[in-house]
Amino acid sequence: ELKVEQNPLFLSMQEGKNYTIYCNYSTTSDRLYWYRQDPGKSLESLFVLLSNGAVKQEGRLMASLDTKARLSTLHITAAVHDLSATYFCAVDKKGGSEKLVFGKGTKLTVNP
Amino acid sequence: GAVVSQHPSRVICKSGTSVKIECRSLDFQATTMFWYRQFPKQSLMLMATSNEGSKATYEQGVEKDKFLINHASLTLSTLTVTSAHPEDSSFYICSASRTGLKNTIYFGEGSWLTVV
Repeated sequence: ELKVEQNPLFLSMQEGKNYTIYCNYSTTSDRLYWYRQDPGKSLESLFVLLSNGAVKQEGRLMASLDTKARLSTLHITAAVHDLSATYFCAVDKKGGSEKLVFGKGTKLTVNP
Repeated sequence: GAVVSQHPSRVICKSGTSVKIECRSLDFQATTMFWYRQFPKQSLMLMATSNEGSKATYEQGVEKDKFLINHASLTLSTLTVTSAHPEDSSFYICSASRTGLKNTIYFGEGSWLTVV
């Protein structure tokens, strides 16, 4: 059974600082997704990582995937308050099935 | 861009009644849609896969007679929560991807269900 673990679950950081969120998963998969969720809202797609070594960047966020280590990271550079949200990683249950198993989420709070 | 729309966004119903939530792909066709449930401050859990023109497939532990799914067209899937109880109160979110364009998964805005 596929398990997806994120850490940390809670992250409080100051504006301008850098930090990394980790996402480990238990069985082989080559499709990993990162989403952002604001309180009371649905999911906003951030990144789709499809192959080993994939790296994608958008603004202050950069995501990477190491399929051999079954690890993805979401790196935050020079955080700003607007990045405060809950971030989820999700792994495709069975190559291309589009059924996603989500991590528990990382609640990020960026303090001025 | 592609949009997946859910309706209603919020609904309150009485215990024992049924409530229907719609998920529509607005500008693309989706042979498969997915329904997730999210309890407050928790993660999303896949409930079922909605297949156009055939029966839905449910994840382990999800009661198919309680959560009825109908995917009658390539742009519409419905989730009906039957005989709702307060413990069914949750945020229900659907997702869909364009037929023939995998890896692009769109999520609906979600529907808040409160059973009183």
